[in-house]
Amino acid sequence: AQKITQTQPGMFVQEKEAVTLDCTYDTSDPSYGLFWYKQPSSGEMIFLIYQGSYDQQNATEGRYSLNFQKARKSANLVISASQLGDSAMYFCAMRPDMDTGRRALTFGSGTRLQVQP
Amino acid sequence: NAGVTQTPKFRVLKTGQSMTLLCAQDMNHEYMYWYRQDPGMGLRLIHYSVGEGTTAKGEVPDGYNVSRLKKQNFLLGLESAAPSQTSVYFCASSLPGRNSPLHFGNGTRLTVT
Repeated sequence: AQKITQTQPGMFVQEKEAVTLDCTYDTSDPSYGLFWYKQPSSGEMIFLIYQGSYDQQNATEGRYSLNFQKARKSANLVISASQLGDSAMYFCAMRPDMDTGRRALTFGSGTRLQVQP
Repeated sequence: NAGVTQTPKFRVLKTGQSMTLLCAQDMNHEYMYWYRQDPGMGLRLIHYSVGEGTTAKGEVPDGYNVSRLKKQNFLLGLESAAPSQTSVYFCASSLPGRNSPLHFGNGTRLTVT
């Protein structure tokens, strides 16, 4: 079984600054994928970024990047140049690569980010 | 391309009533899922399906049933609603690839009184 821990229930950041949202995970699977989702106040779940455990480089997607430290089992999301529209709930999730019969994600409890002008 | 569509968006039930939540996807995805979201607990998997005619239990299946008669539809049923089932329900679908994300519907907010 996998477990995702997001220890920051809430975070504040000033507009235009960078922010790091923490995510640690626990798994015995040798190969797995890590995902981040954004949930704005409107409620929809928006996929942001994916990191494979065997990927050579940390994933980046525009202003989003992953600080992936496999030995520490952490996959922190870094948002650069924060914008007011980044205010939302952020979820870290994972699934083992070998779980081809299910492919479901296991989610953390989320971090609420508020960007201040 | 509508993606994943859930109906209804909101519903209020009385304890003991039944209802069905409908999820439809137009992306030809094999895999479909039902999650519930409760404050402070993230999203938890209720049931899932890896193809038409197949369903399986997730982490919190008690009190729910599902059916996948057509590839594009995944139904979640509550036979006898309880206040503990007050939650936001999300349907999602995905391709089988290891890097394939889940695509979510906009959710159904259910209140059981």
